[in-house]
Amino acid sequence: QKEVEQNSGPLSVPEGAIASLNCTYSDRGSQSFFWYRQYSGKSPELIMSIYSNGDKEDGRFTAQLNKASQYVSLLIRDSQPSDSATYLCAVIPANQAGTALIFGKGTTLSVSS
Amino acid sequence: DAGITQSPRHKVTETGTPVTLRCHQTENHRYMYWYRQDPGHGLRLIHYSYGVKDTDKGEVSDGYSVSRSKTEDFLLTLESATSSQTSVYFCAISYTAATGYNEQFFGPGTRLTVL
Repeated sequence: QKEVEQNSGPLSVPEGAIASLNCTYSDRGSQSFFWYRQYSGKSPELIMSIYSNGDKEDGRFTAQLNKASQYVSLLIRDSQPSDSATYLCAVIPANQAGTALIFGKGTTLSVSS
Repeated sequence: DAGITQSPRHKVTETGTPVTLRCHQTENHRYMYWYRQDPGHGLRLIHYSYGVKDTDKGEVSDGYSVSRSKTEDFLLTLESATSSQTSVYFCAISYTAATGYNEQFFGPGTRLTVL
């Protein structure tokens, strides 16, 4: 069973702080990793993708991948109340039929002003 | 916005009735997916399609069937709805991004309640 694990939270941070969200995955051959943001009652929105070890930065967001540890994280700098949402980690495992995603259950982030 | 629409957006139905959900895309993507999202389970794949008339099962396909007679439309059918199929259903498409890797984008979702 290919699995993606996330802490459900809630993760609470004050405005302006760094929020750190973590994810582990079970399939060592996985090659593609994604972070989606989902506001309550809305659909998942792709915010970051990462494919190689190391860091990838996009604005206030940094994704980090460590394939040896089977670990991917998302850092949100200068957190804003508008960042309050559920963040979904998703992985495409090796040899995944149809390149379908395996999702974690999500981490709820709450940013207080 | 990846040009994905879903209909209906909300539906309430009774146990035992057939239900069809529609996903429509405007950008000619080959791959389309149906997921369901439930509290405590996250998003799970029901079925996917890799072309017209080409479909395959996902993790939670029991009780569901799909059809894709045109590139732009992917239909999900519950032949005889049960209360356990009360969920939010998301359609998604994927395409190869500039990175060379596939990325998936989701439609707005359909909230289905089976009484």
